[in-house]
Amino acid sequence: GQNIDQPTEMTATEGAIVQINCTYQTSGFNGLFWYQQHAGEAPTFLSYNVLDGLEEKGRFSSFLSRSKGYSYLLLKELQMKDSASYLCAVTDSNYQLIWGAGTKLIIKP
Amino acid sequence: IAGITQAPTSQILAAGRRMTLRCTQDMRHNAMYWYRQDLGLGLRLIHYSNTAGTTGKGEVPDGYSVSRANTDDFPLTLASAVPSQTSVYFCASSLLQAGGPREQFFGPGTRLTVL
Repeated sequence: GQNIDQPTEMTATEGAIVQINCTYQTSGFNGLFWYQQHAGEAPTFLSYNVLDGLEEKGRFSSFLSRSKGYSYLLLKELQMKDSASYLCAVTDSNYQLIWGAGTKLIIKP
Repeated sequence: IAGITQAPTSQILAAGRRMTLRCTQDMRHNAMYWYRQDLGLGLRLIHYSNTAGTTGKGEVPDGYSVSRANTDDFPLTLASAVPSQTSVYFCASSLLQAGGPREQFFGPGTRLTVL
């Protein structure tokens, strides 16, 4: 079967660093996406990884290990506006996205 | 229009009624998708269309139908609504190309309640 696992909820402090993990088992792999979703809003694209390694984009970085079926999203210098859910999604062999349930990130002052 | 729009924003519907959720994009994306999002569950694909004139079934297609008469519009119809279809529905689009998947862009969502 196809499965994406992420922690349900995480808490971090403003200004700190947080790492959100995602593990996956899918039929085929054509890339992994991270999206941000604020409460009551639509998901918005953050990053895409298809090769092993780290992709950095400002305060956000995303890492992929295809052999381990593992990715993480790293958020640095946390701001209150980073309070949101972070969704991991894998593109399977049919180029459809398989979504994790999301990780709700709570930022405390 | 800039991006993807959905209508209505929210709706309360009596069980057994027919309902069409509308979705329009102006980005000339070839692929469009309908998802439902329920608390504690990931986004689940209902139906998709890789190009105008073609549609396909996703993970949870039962009770829903779609059409793709042109590039811009992708309506989702509930033929006879049931309470288990209470959810938030998101329409999305992306540019499918030979080089690999591209990110999906999402509409603002429709919050549907079936009583």
